[in-house]
Amino acid sequence: GENVEQHPSTLSVQEGDSAVIKCTYSDSASNYFPWYKQELGKRPQLIIDIRSNVGEKKDQRIAVTLNKTAKHFSLHITETQPEDSAVYFCAASFNDMRFGAGTRLTVKP
Amino acid sequence: GAGVSQSPRYKVAKRGQDVALRCDPISGHVSLFWYQQALGQGPEFLTYFQNEAQLDKSGLPSDRFFAERPEGSVSTLKIQRTQQEDSAVYLCASSSDWGQETQYFGPGTRLLVL
Repeated sequence: GENVEQHPSTLSVQEGDSAVIKCTYSDSASNYFPWYKQELGKRPQLIIDIRSNVGEKKDQRIAVTLNKTAKHFSLHITETQPEDSAVYFCAASFNDMRFGAGTRLTVKP
Repeated sequence: GAGVSQSPRYKVAKRGQDVALRCDPISGHVSLFWYQQALGQGPEFLTYFQNEAQLDKSGLPSDRFFAERPEGSVSTLKIQRTQQEDSAVYLCASSSDWGQETQYFGPGTRLLVL
């Protein structure tokens, strides 16, 4: 089955800096790659997703890149703000979805 | 419209008790997923339904776990003879299709087994 690895497990940046989170997956059949943000005690919320027919997608300060050959994808957050502090999960899906272990992002004011 | 809802939000059970966790998906969503999220971890897949059919239950950790969705809408996850290692947040998600569509999560049920 699918196995998703996510790095780093924790990330601390200064407000205004960029943050990058990387994930790798094992199943070459996976073709949908969402990213979720989860605040403490809250449900995961989708922030951006990408499908295998594109290599990059951007939404304001958030972008995701996908390298299908290397089976890895990354989340990029620019101009980070304190409210970006949360746990971020990547996931990979073909028939069902498998999640990474999460990255705890802290943005220091 | 209303999102995914789950009940109860919190459940404390004594070891050995049976529990039932309910999920109400977004109206019209054909796919429903259950995940188990341990503290500090990502959601772990348990099982998924397309309408009333349970298409994959490979993630259920033991035969004490059972899920159903008899009418293709509300789903119940039942855990029999609960053990301490069952303590976790149980998340339900629904989507309009399977695999390649956005999953919308409920708030979760936090289960604590004493």
